[in-house]
Amino acid sequence: DARVTQTPRHKVTEMGQEVTMRCQPILGHNTVFWYRQTMMQGLELLAYFRNRAPLDDSGMPKDRFSAEMPDATLATLKIQPSEPRDSAVYFCASADLPGGSEKLFFGSGTQLSVL
Amino acid sequence: QKEVEQDPGPLSVPEGAIVSLNCTYSNSAFQYFMWYRQYSRKGPELLMYTYSSGNKEDGRFTAQVDKSSKYISLFIRDSQPSDSATYLCAKGSNFGNEKLTFGTGTRLTIIP
Repeated sequence: DARVTQTPRHKVTEMGQEVTMRCQPILGHNTVFWYRQTMMQGLELLAYFRNRAPLDDSGMPKDRFSAEMPDATLATLKIQPSEPRDSAVYFCASADLPGGSEKLFFGSGTQLSVL
Repeated sequence: QKEVEQDPGPLSVPEGAIVSLNCTYSNSAFQYFMWYRQYSRKGPELLMYTYSSGNKEDGRFTAQVDKSSKYISLFIRDSQPSDSATYLCAKGSNFGNEKLTFGTGTRLTIIP
């Protein structure tokens, strides 16, 4: 059963530390998204890639966040330095777009707490 | 004003009741509308999508879009305890659903 895998599931860190979150998209999917979910803002799109190339990262604070796809099986989201306001659940999703199913497949998320 | 507004609830209804979940949106340039269901400590999963005004049915679920009033609804018939989850409405951009804008979600509890 194909699924998006995210690691770690939980991360507690101190302010100023670097945080790296990883995502393994579903094999064959060409589009990968990073979303952040908070109670107040809901799900917000941070960045997304098509065939490993960044298409849009306008939702991401550029000074501290970076997203990459070193290869087709790995997407990373890095925060350096982390701040308490970054505490949220970070989701990765993959899909076969455009022209394929409109369905986005989400991972189970990384719960990040920055103290 | 957020592009997609959704009442956060929480909403509690008895088992077997009809549930109505609603969203409004502010930009009429968007064509795709979706409902995602999110169980606790899980990622959202697509429940239904539609790209036109009117109703779309899938089993106990009906998605309704009224583009004239910019209103999106999800109806659940014969609600079950397993329907307890957070429901998020979303809309896609002109280019398909690449950039989805989500509502904040409505937490629903079905009471046995």
